[in-house]
Amino acid sequence: ETGVTQTPRHLVMGMTNKKSLKCEQHLGHNAMYWYKQSAKKPLELMFVYNFKEQTENNSVPSRFSPECPNSSHLFLHLHTLQPEDSALYLCASSQDRTILAKNIQYFGAGTRLSVL
Amino acid sequence: QKEVEQDPGPLSVPEGAIVSLNCTYSNSAFQYFMWYRQYSRKGPELLMYTYSSGNKEDGRFTAQVDKSSKYISLFIRDSQPSDSATYLCAMSSNRDDKIIFGKGTRLHILP
Repeated sequence: ETGVTQTPRHLVMGMTNKKSLKCEQHLGHNAMYWYKQSAKKPLELMFVYNFKEQTENNSVPSRFSPECPNSSHLFLHLHTLQPEDSALYLCASSQDRTILAKNIQYFGAGTRLSVL
Repeated sequence: QKEVEQDPGPLSVPEGAIVSLNCTYSNSAFQYFMWYRQYSRKGPELLMYTYSSGNKEDGRFTAQVDKSSKYISLFIRDSQPSDSATYLCAMSSNRDDKIIFGKGTRLHILP
């Protein structure tokens, strides 16, 4: 158990659905991340929040909408997704984004998303 | 040239063998180097973390960094079937705090 919990573990949705992914960390960290992991590709950083403020958005389509209500919780709201968005979505947290020595990231188990 | 190159494998070795996993990189500013292990249907788990050049040992695992060659390695001694997983290298610099990951190498330890 890494201290980062993601729900649901699996999600199947149609292209017109709206769903949300949830991430919760119990490590007292201040930075949280969303990554996309597709087969045969490196982890793709999507969004970064540091002390609840979004500090990075890596040109992610607007059909993905993050929300960080506090340092322990992170959501990824999904709407009108495409089949190519099917992937493993990973949440991670680190102690402090701005201090590299404290930027070790701890990952959740991920949500396996299938878009039909 | 990609920032981080890692052979995706799969790499199959017999139980008890020494495993060598490697990554090359192009950005000379990288100073923090990490190895993550990812089991099937799980998220990546941090295995080793090193700063700058040199070796670091933790049990059966040794991480090695050669900044002059822009080459990092992870050695696994006395490999076990439970070591079968995908191993991802990752690195970051002081100039840009983004962590860059390799694609991962799939490792199979054969009993």
